[in-house]
Amino acid sequence: EIVLTQFPATLSLSPGERATLSCRASQSVSSYLAWYQQKPGQSPRLLIYDASNRATGIPARFSGSGSGTDFTLTISSLEPEDFAVYYCQQRNNWPLTFGGGTKVEIK
Amino acid sequence: EVPLVESGGGLVQPGGSLRLSCAASGFTFSSYAMSWVRQAPGKGLEWLSLIFGSGETTHYADSVKGRFTISRDNSKSTLYLQMNSLRAEDTAVYFCAKAKISGSSSPFDFWGQGTLVTVSS
Repeated sequence: EIVLTQFPATLSLSPGERATLSCRASQSVSSYLAWYQQKPGQSPRLLIYDASNRATGIPARFSGSGSGTDFTLTISSLEPEDFAVYYCQQRNNWPLTFGGGTKVEIK
Repeated sequence: EVPLVESGGGLVQPGGSLRLSCAASGFTFSSYAMSWVRQAPGKGLEWLSLIFGSGETTHYADSVKGRFTISRDNSKSTLYLQMNSLRAEDTAVYFCAKAKISGSSSPFDFWGQGTLVTVSS
């Protein structure tokens, strides 16, 4: 099973700041990595797929990069609605797996 | 939007069974793989199971293999999860999720609202 490790666990930032979230895979997942955003009481929302492709309707301030084992989700300038938990997920191998999440909180 | 509406959650005793349903609309259901993903209270996301569009191919996480069975009825655009031998650690919100790309496992572009399963005596 591919283990996805997300870090940091918590990121404390202010609106307008840049957020950099990391996801590391225990073995290569090629570019088959996605990022999701989840707010309390809501279902997850797809942000980025295949490492760097923004999903439909996702603002340009969200970007993804990486391949192999190391991936990054960047939010260029945090908006108030961006404070949430973010998960990465791989589809290169069975079983599909999610990372443990990074909480982006208001400083 | 692509509504996915789960139902069937509730309170069940340890060792009991429950069947979840996920009614889909707004897309060609038979063309897309569908998954079940759960989230225990205060915890992260855990993928459980996937079924491809034809219904012939399924995959499971080790944590539920042999206890849970995924199925679909393409004529009714409905996904199911039969859960047997339930344990306290199965307590979670269960989401159904649609694969974004036809023929692919994921990513998941649409999710249901979730249904809560509580396993307790």
